[in-house]
Amino acid sequence: NAGVTQTPKFRVLKTGQSMTLLCAQDMNHEYMYWYRQDPGMGLRLIHYSVGEGTTAKGEVPDGYNVSRLKKQNFLLGLESAAPSQTSVYFCASSYGGVGRYEQYFGPGTRLTVT
Amino acid sequence: GENVEQHPSTLSVQEGDSAVIKCTYSDSASNYFPWYKQELGKRPQLIIDIRSNVGEKKDQRIAVTLNKTAKHFSLHITETQPEDSAVYFCAASKGLTGGGNKLTFGTGTQLKVEL
Repeated sequence: NAGVTQTPKFRVLKTGQSMTLLCAQDMNHEYMYWYRQDPGMGLRLIHYSVGEGTTAKGEVPDGYNVSRLKKQNFLLGLESAAPSQTSVYFCASSYGGVGRYEQYFGPGTRLTVT
Repeated sequence: GENVEQHPSTLSVQEGDSAVIKCTYSDSASNYFPWYKQELGKRPQLIIDIRSNVGEKKDQRIAVTLNKTAKHFSLHITETQPEDSAVYFCAASKGLTGGGNKLTFGTGTQLKVEL
């Protein structure tokens, strides 16, 4: 199993450009999450999904959109990138069901917006 | 919403000593408390977690304690080794319907184990 994978690994954007980050998991997990990690601030939840076709806002959703058309994929979109969105983005997934709470993280995408 | 505070932000110990990292949370409804280890340039990895119906959990050199009344939980690492050097994050969650959870993370502790 590959676990949780993310593409791309690195990306540089200019202000105003758009892009989509792809997260894929092969563990048949119901739940998927997008976080951003900034120095000194830990990880903050952007959006999450409780199943195929569903999405919900997390702690810092502004400027991002998400979609989960297939159970194994969770896409994070930036429609008009801003320098404040320079960060490392992590995707995670977890099983559904009581007692199975562990979130498995992908390797991250380092995004720089100039 | 939930707020998690983590201390200290940096911790330096001698190899073989113990290390303790403390976190407090604000939402009394939180019921799941994981700890993640993140090495430089790598993804966070779960090292131990605890549910609110348990006061203490241990896994070899790592233990976590939870005080629900005071709303704080701690990570204890004994007999530290150089490979324990990393950033450690605590988190708290209330849980989502069906078993998922929205984690709120602390700001991290940079642990350095010196020879």
